[in-house]
Amino acid sequence: GAVVSQHPSRVICKSGTSVKIECRSLDFQATTMFWYRQFPKQSLMLMATSNEGSKATYEQGVEKDKFLINHASLTLSTLTVTSAHPEDSSFYICSANRQGGNQPQHFGDGTRLSIL
Amino acid sequence: GDSVTQMEGPVTLSEEAFLTINCTYTATGYPSLFWYVQYPGEGLQLLLKATKADDKGSNKGFEATYRKETTSFHLEKGSVQVSDSAVYFCALSPGDAGNMLTFGGGTRLMVKP
Repeated sequence: GAVVSQHPSRVICKSGTSVKIECRSLDFQATTMFWYRQFPKQSLMLMATSNEGSKATYEQGVEKDKFLINHASLTLSTLTVTSAHPEDSSFYICSANRQGGNQPQHFGDGTRLSIL
Repeated sequence: GDSVTQMEGPVTLSEEAFLTINCTYTATGYPSLFWYVQYPGEGLQLLLKATKADDKGSNKGFEATYRKETTSFHLEKGSVQVSDSAVYFCALSPGDAGNMLTFGGGTRLMVKP
């Protein structure tokens, strides 16, 4: 069964709305979670690394004020797309991995965000 | 920096055909290598992995061997099914820098009955 839950799976909203996406590790604690963005028919691009209890680490070119990440507990990270615009429409995917050497990342099912 | 290159798709095969999706990588050190599969509208699922040279990862009839001499991790399956239609991503994780993944561009596989 799924070990990482992502919610919601789909969001359609008006331009200017802020949208929060949740990523939960279901049966393990994750001190680190990752947020990716995927454009149609393209690969995943890492946006940021979410660190429990500290600030997220953003990849170059990703606006930290636009994409707010909060990792307040060992099982939950949230990504908030603030004042979303049509160009923010995309498929957002989170992942987390169990602690220990060479543990693979487990991915959520993704959130399709459509801004009208 | 690290990079992963995989063959562009789409790859269209008939059921029971042999599948190869090429993947090569550039990395320092000794990365771990992965294949992930993404079904339409879903997130990624780990298909198989290999953590050191000459390791063979296998799952659901798919196989890939970690070839350090050719820096490759090609995905193969002897007989594909319609249900294998999906997008396949090759990825690497640096051996000494946590679990951050670098993905290839993805290869769409379409299997026709």
